[in-house]
Amino acid sequence: GQQLNQSPQSMFIQEGEDVSMNCTSSSIFNTWLWYKQDPGEGPVLLIALYKAGELTSNGRLTAQFGTTRKDSFLNISASIPSDVGIYFCAGQGPSGTYKYIFGTGTRLKVLA
Amino acid sequence: EAQVTQNPRYLITVTGKKLTVTCSQNMNHEYMSWYRQDPGLGLRQIYYSMNVEVTDKGDVPEGYKVSRKEKRNFPLILESPSPNQTSLYFCASRVTFTTNYGYTFGSGTRLTVV
Repeated sequence: GQQLNQSPQSMFIQEGEDVSMNCTSSSIFNTWLWYKQDPGEGPVLLIALYKAGELTSNGRLTAQFGTTRKDSFLNISASIPSDVGIYFCAGQGPSGTYKYIFGTGTRLKVLA
Repeated sequence: EAQVTQNPRYLITVTGKKLTVTCSQNMNHEYMSWYRQDPGLGLRQIYYSMNVEVTDKGDVPEGYKVSRKEKRNFPLILESPSPNQTSLYFCASRVTFTTNYGYTFGSGTRLTVV
């Protein structure tokens, strides 16, 4: 099945640094979702995006729906140790296609 | 609390011994799905169900069965587990198939088949 390309695959950062990650697809999506998976837990929804160009924040997290509708971006500002985990993007297809396609994840490790 | 509950959280079994992983949601969601998560491969859909008695194959259905006799429950059955089914499994639900509000995931079941 189709998967989204997510980068970087993993990253180590210092506490307090800003983090950027992105997700790209060859297909157009109508919805982009960003999830976080804490160690030993299931993914939890962070941000949902529904319109091209949309910019949405959730605390220190900001996500954008790319204008081409083929990509999305997630930024974390002033990272803290509890930001550690795996961040997944998911896209829901164009009209008539309601399946969610998941990215392979970005593993974030924060060094105190 | 709205949630998806999976059991067990951890399971070690032997090749060929039938097992069932249970999944239950308390949100009255129509759509439920099973995923497996493997390193470097992300989340891959095994089976899904649009409603009671309506199930269909996902991307990696081989070796698995499901049933949906009640709206809240969606068990995953491995009739004859093999080592290549060692993985982390997630049950997830959402309001309907067409909703764009995303899934609620369970906490996962880590299965090891030896």
